[in-house]
Amino acid sequence: NAGVTQTPKFRVLKTGQSMTLLCAQDMNHEYMYWYRQDPGMGLRLIHYSVGEGTTAKGEVPDGYNVSRLKKQNFLLGLESAAPSQTSVYFCASSSDILAGSYNEQFFGPGTRLTVL
Amino acid sequence: SQQGEEDPQALSIQEGENATMNCSYKTSINNLQWYRQNSGRGLVHLILIRSNEREKHSGRLRVTLDTSKKSSSLLITASRAADTASYFCATVRYGQNFVFGPGTRLSVLP
Repeated sequence: NAGVTQTPKFRVLKTGQSMTLLCAQDMNHEYMYWYRQDPGMGLRLIHYSVGEGTTAKGEVPDGYNVSRLKKQNFLLGLESAAPSQTSVYFCASSSDILAGSYNEQFFGPGTRLTVL
Repeated sequence: SQQGEEDPQALSIQEGENATMNCSYKTSINNLQWYRQNSGRGLVHLILIRSNEREKHSGRLRVTLDTSKKSSSLLITASRAADTASYFCATVRYGQNFVFGPGTRLSVLP
């Protein structure tokens, strides 16, 4: 099993450009998440999905869109990149978090994005 | 606002010593998890402790949870250079999302 994979690993954008980050998981997890990590800030949740075809906003959703057309894939889009979106982006997945289940999150290796 | 806050922000110890990191949180939780992040990598789950548990062990890791004080500690015994990483606590409330703290950077010197 590959676990959680992310593409690309690195990307440099100019302000105003758009891009899509792809996350894929092969663990049949219902829940998928997109986080950004900035120095000294820990991880902040951008968007998440509780199942195929569903998405919801997290703590810092502005400037991002997501789609979950297939259970195994979760896409993060930046329509018009801004320097404030320079960050490391992590995707994660987990099984159902409701009562009793062991619900650790499995993380991808990250995408380092720089917006000039 | 962040639920979990780790303390200290950075910790430097010698190989073989024990490392203790603390996590404080603000609201009730269902479980608390600790994760490790090596430089340039994603987070890796270490251990989960449920709200009705007070202590758990996994190899050289010992986690305690005090719900009355809303705090948890992670102890790494007999540390190794390979333990050098950032450590994050994440609080979980059912029906809500994970909330991660800013992390503790641990350096284990050979």
